Amino acid sequence: DQQVKQNSPSLSVQEGRISILNCDYTNSMFDYFLWYKKYPAEGPTFLISISSIKDKNEDGRFTVFLNKSAKHLSLHIVPSQPGDSAVYFCAASALNTDKLIFGTGTRLQVFP
Amino acid sequence: EPEVTQTPSHQVTQMGQEVILRCVPISNHLYFYWYRQILGQKVEFLVSFYNNEISEKSEIFDDQFSVERPDGSNFTLKIRSTKLEDSAMYFCASRTDRVSNQPQHFGDGTRLSIL
Repeated sequence: DQQVKQNSPSLSVQEGRISILNCDYTNSMFDYFLWYKKYPAEGPTFLISISSIKDKNEDGRFTVFLNKSAKHLSLHIVPSQPGDSAVYFCAASALNTDKLIFGTGTRLQVFP
Repeated sequence: EPEVTQTPSHQVTQMGQEVILRCVPISNHLYFYWYRQILGQKVEFLVSFYNNEISEKSEIFDDQFSVERPDGSNFTLKIRSTKLEDSAMYFCASRTDRVSNQPQHFGDGTRLSIL
């Protein structure tokens, strides 16, 4: 099941710089997209979401961009902080379903 | 901040035995979910539950699996006759409603090891 893909398994960014995490999807029925952050031995923690009727949603240091024509979304973190070091999962759901389809995750490391 | 709580954090069971994983969703949430993550693989949806019945289930959720909300606070996943391939992290999640696109909130998971 490759409906949601995160092609970069890891990303390393210097503190204070921008982190950009990418996600591609194939299912045109997806209408709701989420980003979760996961620390070791913890469950996924919700970060930010976006509906398919929007192309941008911002919450503090986190911004999600959605490009429906390219079936692509990205998460921008600026400025990046060492505490942001975690695995980031992109997830999506389609209309009339609760099921979240997850990507494989991108491990972000923010170094001083 | 309210949390989804899962117990136990780690469960070790002999193959063929029954196991029950427990979850306490956030108190005002109405929709409940189980997901699992086999080591090195994606988080996969198992089942969703609303109004005391299953609303959706995946192909993984076969007859050996069942869910129950035995009282007003707990939500359980039972695996009747465990197999080696059931070894995984099992995550419970809950959300307030579907209409306003509220996110699902996850617990910290139960690591299930089948021997």
